[in-house]
Amino acid sequence: NAGVTQTPKFRILKIGQSMTLQCTQDMNHNYMYWYRQDPGMGLKLIYYSVGAGITDKGEVPNGYNVSRSTTEDFPLRLELAAPSQTSVYFCASNPTSIYEQYFGPGTRLTVT
Amino acid sequence: AQSVAQPEDQVNVAEGNPLTVKCTYSVSGNPYLFWYVQYPNRGLQFLLKYITGDNLVKGSYGFEAEFNKSQTSFHLKKPSALVSDSALYFCAVRGGYNTDKLIFGTGTRLQVFP
Repeated sequence: NAGVTQTPKFRILKIGQSMTLQCTQDMNHNYMYWYRQDPGMGLKLIYYSVGAGITDKGEVPNGYNVSRSTTEDFPLRLELAAPSQTSVYFCASNPTSIYEQYFGPGTRLTVT
Repeated sequence: AQSVAQPEDQVNVAEGNPLTVKCTYSVSGNPYLFWYVQYPNRGLQFLLKYITGDNLVKGSYGFEAEFNKSQTSFHLKKPSALVSDSALYFCAVRGGYNTDKLIFGTGTRLQVFP
């Protein structure tokens, strides 16, 4: 199993541009999550999904959108990128919420 | 509201000495507690968890953690530190009414010196 994969690894965006961060897991996990990691701030939950077709907001959803059309994929969409969205983004998954989460390698995004 | 506190930004320890990384939490109801480790430019890796049962939990790479309900703590420990243990450690808690979400602490950087 590849586990949780994320693309791209790095990206530089100009202010106002849009992009989609891809996340795929091959473990047939129902639950998937998007986090952002800022220095000294730990991880903040952006959005999560408990199954295909179901998504919900986390702590910091503003400026982001998600969709979950399949069990495997959970893309994160940034519309109108802002410098405040410069961060490292992690995708994670687990079978249900009582289990540990499996993390992808992250996407480092810079908005200038 | 549930929360996690890691009171130390950094912990320094000599190789071979015991290490402790502290974590306290606040949740309604029974907590589910986790420790993760992050090496540079990598995602988080699961170390261990407490759901129920014995208060002393053993995990990967020789780490263990002790759940203390009265002190609402879940400190991470290792009897003998290795230089390769140097990394960023995160405590996380799930509990209360928002049971699908993990709340992470701000992380503690562990530096093990030769």
